[in-house]
Amino acid sequence: DGGITQSPKYLFRKEGQNVTLSCEQNLNHDAMYWYRQDPGQGLRLIYYSQIVNDFQKGDIAEGYSVSREKKESFPLTVTSAQKNPTAFYLCASSIYWGDQPQHFGDGTRLSIL
Amino acid sequence: AQKVTQAQTEISVVEKEDVTLDCVYETRDTTYYLFWYKQPPSGELVFLIRRNSFDEQNEISGRYSWNFQKSTSSFNFTITASQVVDSAVYFCALSEVGTTDSWGKLQFGAGTQVVVTP
Repeated sequence: DGGITQSPKYLFRKEGQNVTLSCEQNLNHDAMYWYRQDPGQGLRLIYYSQIVNDFQKGDIAEGYSVSREKKESFPLTVTSAQKNPTAFYLCASSIYWGDQPQHFGDGTRLSIL
Repeated sequence: AQKVTQAQTEISVVEKEDVTLDCVYETRDTTYYLFWYKQPPSGELVFLIRRNSFDEQNEISGRYSWNFQKSTSSFNFTITASQVVDSAVYFCALSEVGTTDSWGKLQFGAGTQVVVTP
């Protein structure tokens, strides 16, 4: 079955450490997205990629970095510059940029040790 | 500024009761899309419905129905005869088409937690 796979499901970060969240899709979608979800809040866009080898900052990109070297992969790195990284992170994709709806993975929960 | 407002933080009902979730949005665009997503405890967002700004026809799909009113900028969602499996967080979202900066982006409300007890 086609879909989006996020790993790991739970991740712990030590102070000053960078961690990378994986997002893989086999839907052959061009566009991919990363969202952050905090308790009691909606999702906020961190980064998005319209096509392979391209990515753009979303609304809350500070402290995060991404790459899009392969169409099916869009990893998110939470750097030590992100001072409040504890959140639920969701990856999504769509056939092309602007197409809706977006399809979501089942998330990675990041916590600080 | 918050463009999508879901004023209800949590709604608790007993099974078989109806549940209506409110969503109010704000946009200057004449062309936009509205969405409802469901987030069960497992975490993934499940797409439920999309409506474009030119289609105010209300829709019923099984136990779900949607009421879109441009005059009041509302896009409400009703679950009829609720079931325990309906327990989840429901998000309303807006996608504005009119500007390059907003094109393709989803703006979410804060979500409404629905708790259905047997």
